[in-house]
Amino acid sequence: AQKITQTQPGMFVQEKEAVTLDCTYDTSDPSYGLFWYKQPSSGEMIFLIYQGSYDQQNATEGRYSLNFQKARKSANLVISASQLGDSAMYFCAMVVTGGGNKLTFGTGTQLKVEL
Amino acid sequence: DVKVTQSSRYLVKRTGEKVFLECVQDMDHENMFWYRQDPGLGLRLIYFSYDVKMKEKGDIPEGYSVSREKKERFSLILESASTNQTSMYLCASSSGGVDTEAFFGQGTRLTVV
Repeated sequence: AQKITQTQPGMFVQEKEAVTLDCTYDTSDPSYGLFWYKQPSSGEMIFLIYQGSYDQQNATEGRYSLNFQKARKSANLVISASQLGDSAMYFCAMVVTGGGNKLTFGTGTQLKVEL
Repeated sequence: DVKVTQSSRYLVKRTGEKVFLECVQDMDHENMFWYRQDPGLGLRLIYFSYDVKMKEKGDIPEGYSVSREKKERFSLILESASTNQTSMYLCASSSGGVDTEAFFGQGTRLTVV
């Protein structure tokens, strides 16, 4: 079975500061993919960043980077230079090869960026 | 652009009614998913499908069924709606593999009264 855990229900960050959103995962499958999605108050789900289990380097996409620590089974999202528009719900998700492409999500972290 | 379209944005149904939520994708994706989203619980997988006529139970399939007769369409069925099925329902699709992101519909807010 695969499981995603996000332990921070809510986070606050000052504008222009960096913030780290935590994600740990559990799977016995050696091949898997980890994803982060953003859900603004409007409700749409926006894909942010992907990390594969065999990737040697941490993924980066603009102001988003993924701090991937395979031995600790963590895949934390780092947002640099936070902007007011980053205020949203953030979800960590995982797909495993042996799971029939089952996509599993965590419970999410509500991020609020303050002036 | 990939498009995933859910048939309704808002629905109000009565307890005991049979409810159909429809989802259509236009990118020939193999995988389709139905989730429900509730505050504090994140997105919970109800059912998913990796091919036409194939379906797999997710984490909370009780009270739901699905149908995938055509590749582009994945329907979620509530056989007899109950108030505890009041929720936001999200449909998603992906092209398969562990390295492809999912694309989501706009969501259906279902209220069962």
